[in-house]
Amino acid sequence: TQLLEQSPQFLSIQEGENLTVYCNSSSVFSSLQWYRQEPGEGPVLLVTVVTGGEVKKLKRLTFQFGDARKDSSLHITAAQPGDTGLYLCAGRSGNTGKLIFGQGTTLQVKP
Amino acid sequence: DSGVTQTPKHLITATGQRVTLRCSPRSGDLSVYWYQQSLDQGLQFLIQYYNGEERAKGNILERFSAQQFPDLHSELNLSSLELGDSALYFCASSEWGANTEAFFGQGTRLTVV
Repeated sequence: TQLLEQSPQFLSIQEGENLTVYCNSSSVFSSLQWYRQEPGEGPVLLVTVVTGGEVKKLKRLTFQFGDARKDSSLHITAAQPGDTGLYLCAGRSGNTGKLIFGQGTTLQVKP
Repeated sequence: DSGVTQTPKHLITATGQRVTLRCSPRSGDLSVYWYQQSLDQGLQFLIQYYNGEERAKGNILERFSAQQFPDLHSELNLSSLELGDSALYFCASSEWGANTEAFFGQGTRLTVV
């Protein structure tokens, strides 16, 4: 069974601080996606990483896929209250296309 | 707006009852996925359909079933409902392919009383 473990589960920081969320697995994934979810809404796709070692930037967010395609990280620079939400990583499993999700990281950025 | 439409948005029903959740995928997407999200379990994959055929199965209970119709919309049927089935149910769609992106609907919040 493929599992994705996210850490930390909860993070509460002050506006302007930097943070990193980790997503780890013992399995190799063909791609990995990061989502952000607001309460009562569906997850919204932020980025997809496909190649081992790949780094993608989305404004203040930097996503990295591990060289072995088993892990990923999300780094937020100078966090803003608008970054508050649930961040989910999801690995695409085999050739079926189904996504395996991590448990999520709840981020709270205080003004 | 992801382009994935789910109805209804909220559903309250009694234990033992049966409900049907509906999902219309994004235009052009052939794959539909169903997920259950509860507070203690996170997002759990239930089932995937591709162009009308079941493609992958996850932790879906025998009381639950799904299908995808020729117009590509999908329905998730939940029967003999229990209190523990209360959760958010999400549908996602994608084009076919191992690295294609999945887009989620806004979900159906099911409350079993």
